[in-house]
Amino acid sequence: EVQLVQSGAEVKKPGESLKISCKGSGYSFTNYWIGWVRQMPGKGLEWMGIIYPGDSDTRYSPSFQGQVTILVDKSISTAYLQWSSLKASDTAMYYCAASSSPLGWFDPWGQGTLVTVAS
Amino acid sequence: QSVLTQPPSASGTPGQRVTISCSGSSSNIGSNTVNWYRQLPGTAPKLLIYSNNQRPSGVPDRFSGSKSGTSASLAISGLQSEDEADYYCAAWDDSLNGVVFGGGTKLTVL
Repeated sequence: EVQLVQSGAEVKKPGESLKISCKGSGYSFTNYWIGWVRQMPGKGLEWMGIIYPGDSDTRYSPSFQGQVTILVDKSISTAYLQWSSLKASDTAMYYCAASSSPLGWFDPWGQGTLVTVAS
Repeated sequence: QSVLTQPPSASGTPGQRVTISCSGSSSNIGSNTVNWYRQLPGTAPKLLIYSNNQRPSGVPDRFSGSKSGTSASLAISGLQSEDEADYYCAAWDDSLNGVVFGGGTKLTVL
C-alpha cells in the first residue's frame, strides 16, 4: 500500500526550532515529488513547497520562501519540513503529499502533523 | 484571499445534484489542469478528481469534474449524507510558480 506517515503532534515555544517528518512507503520514493501543505485552524489549504527526493530539487511558494526549509533523506525515504525560529502564527496542521510532478495532483496525503506554538 | 474563488458553502438534500464552482485566471485554470480534493471532518484531504475530469480508482461516478476557460466545476449527483465535507479545487499557477488552492466549499446535506 502506498502511504505517507507523518511524525506526531508538537508543542513548541516561540523562537524554538522544529523539524517534522514524512516517511513514504509502498512505492519508489525517489521518483515522486513530496509537497507540504499548511492548514491553519479553521482555514483552507495553502501550498508551501515541494521537493524531488531523486535530486533534492526544491520549489517554494513565495509566501513561505525563507520561512521554512524543505529537506529530504532519500536513504530512509523521508522528507522534512523545518523551522529555525517558530512564531505563534506557525500554529497549524501540516500535511505532506506525493505528486508525480510539481504541477500535478497530490495523492496520497499524509495524516497530518499538528504544530502548536505558544508561550 | 485565495487565488481560486469558490463559494464558501453549498447544500442539497439526499439524492439531489449539486455543483461547486472554482474561478481562476489565465495563469492558473486557464493554462493548467484542475484537481479537486475532499476533506472529511478531522481528516486529511483526499484526491477526488484530477486532470479536470478524471476519477481516481475507488471514487464513484457520482463525482464529476469539468473545466471551461478560467473556471472549473465539481458536480456531485445522488447526494448522500457522507458527502458532507469541505471541497477544494487546486491548479498550478504559472505566475506564482506554485500550486494555488481555492478557499474551500463546505457542503451540507440537509
